[in-house]
Amino acid sequence: AQTVTQSQPEMSVQEAETVTLSCTYDTSESDYYLFWYKQPPSRQMILVIRQEAYKQQNATENRFSVNFQKAAKSFSLKISDSQLGDAAMYFCAYRSAKSGANSKLTFGKGITLSVRP
Amino acid sequence: ETGVTQTPRHLVMGMTNKKSLKCEQHLGHNAMYWYKQSAKKPLELMFVYNFKEQTENNSVPSRFSPECPNSSHLFLHLHTLQPEDSALYLCASSQDPRSIEKLFFGSGTQLSVL
Repeated sequence: AQTVTQSQPEMSVQEAETVTLSCTYDTSESDYYLFWYKQPPSRQMILVIRQEAYKQQNATENRFSVNFQKAAKSFSLKISDSQLGDAAMYFCAYRSAKSGANSKLTFGKGITLSVRP
Repeated sequence: ETGVTQTPRHLVMGMTNKKSLKCEQHLGHNAMYWYKQSAKKPLELMFVYNFKEQTENNSVPSRFSPECPNSSHLFLHLHTLQPEDSALYLCASSQDPRSIEKLFFGSGTQLSVL
């Protein structure tokens, strides 16, 4: 079974600074997808970024980028130029790429990010 | 607004009560999901429905009873719950459970069982 570990329960960053959120996972599969979701106080989970395991290039979405280390099974999220609106819980998630697999996501416990003005 | 609406937003119930959570999506998706989010625990998938048919039941106790009358609506009927069932219940939808398209989540129902 796959597992996703987010070992840091909380982090804080100064506005306009850069912060990195850590995530590790365990799987025996070679093809899969990794995600970062954001859950603001409104509670609505929003997809931030997605990475396909077969791609060596790290995914980037504006101020959000990932550092995907497949051999180390590490998938960290970097937020550049942090804004007050980035304050939220962030969840790392894993999904198998096996044919026929449904959209079952395995989530980590999440990390609460606060942004200091 | 992601197109997935959940009601009620908050719910307090006693262990002998019967209540229902409602989820509605206006995205034309064919798959709908119930997730449970407990404090300091990973999100847990409870049920998956595809074209109104239940395709996954993740060993959920029978005191939780899902219903999917059509592809746009999903209910979670609750009866004789336990205090440990207190959690945020999130509904989500996707175009197809076999696709990798992102899930669209609702804002959840915060449930407290007394």
